[in-house]
Amino acid sequence: QQQVKQSPQSLIVQKGGISIINCAYENTAFDYFPWYQQFPGKGPALLIAIRPDVSEKKEGRFTISFNKSAKQFSLHIMDSQPGDSATYFCAASMSGGNNFNKFYFGSGTKLNVKP
Amino acid sequence: KAGVTQTPRYLIKTRGQQVTLSCSPISGHRSVSWYQQTPGQGLQFLFEYFSETQRNKGNFPGRFSGRQFSNSRSEMNVSTLELGDSALYLCASSSPGGAQFVVGELFFGEGSRLTVL
Repeated sequence: QQQVKQSPQSLIVQKGGISIINCAYENTAFDYFPWYQQFPGKGPALLIAIRPDVSEKKEGRFTISFNKSAKQFSLHIMDSQPGDSATYFCAASMSGGNNFNKFYFGSGTKLNVKP
Repeated sequence: KAGVTQTPRYLIKTRGQQVTLSCSPISGHRSVSWYQQTPGQGLQFLFEYFSETQRNKGNFPGRFSGRQFSNSRSEMNVSTLELGDSALYLCASSSPGGAQFVVGELFFGEGSRLTVL
């Protein structure tokens, strides 16, 4: 059972365009929503993360939009660059209880930014 | 500061064999998690260790096991390998962990790519 559903599976964007990746979750106990970026041959690395007490978080060209009522969150990459070409994973986790570092990841989106 | 180190990076095994993968976390990190990455499935949580204790386990069969040593290094073992075990196995460390734990950033290694023939 996929607790975090991610779309699209792949995305092609022109340089300078906006890349948008969407994720949806079911468990309302989730309280931490990170996005990880993975380049070929490398492990995922944290890109940006949000907690549900805010609706948006921006770091440079990367923005997370969070809709608590819809149980959805998305990653927006503004002014997309060829160097952004990578696989992006959304994830969700919950604090406390027996949930130490147990993250539920989406299935990934392979982004290709064309020059 | 050195990152998370996983060995071996690549290995090929045949069905029925067993395999042991190793992970050295970032210095000072006491929590080590393991994830299985397969195409189309994303990352699936295997287990998490802190101070040599398994604190959490994912939905994998008992053939998947792990342990953590006093220096925080961790190993995972897969016995009686099946073709479906072919995957990239990722180790991640994090800090601080403990009783007042608040979930935070995972630092991943580059993974061990296992191919089962």
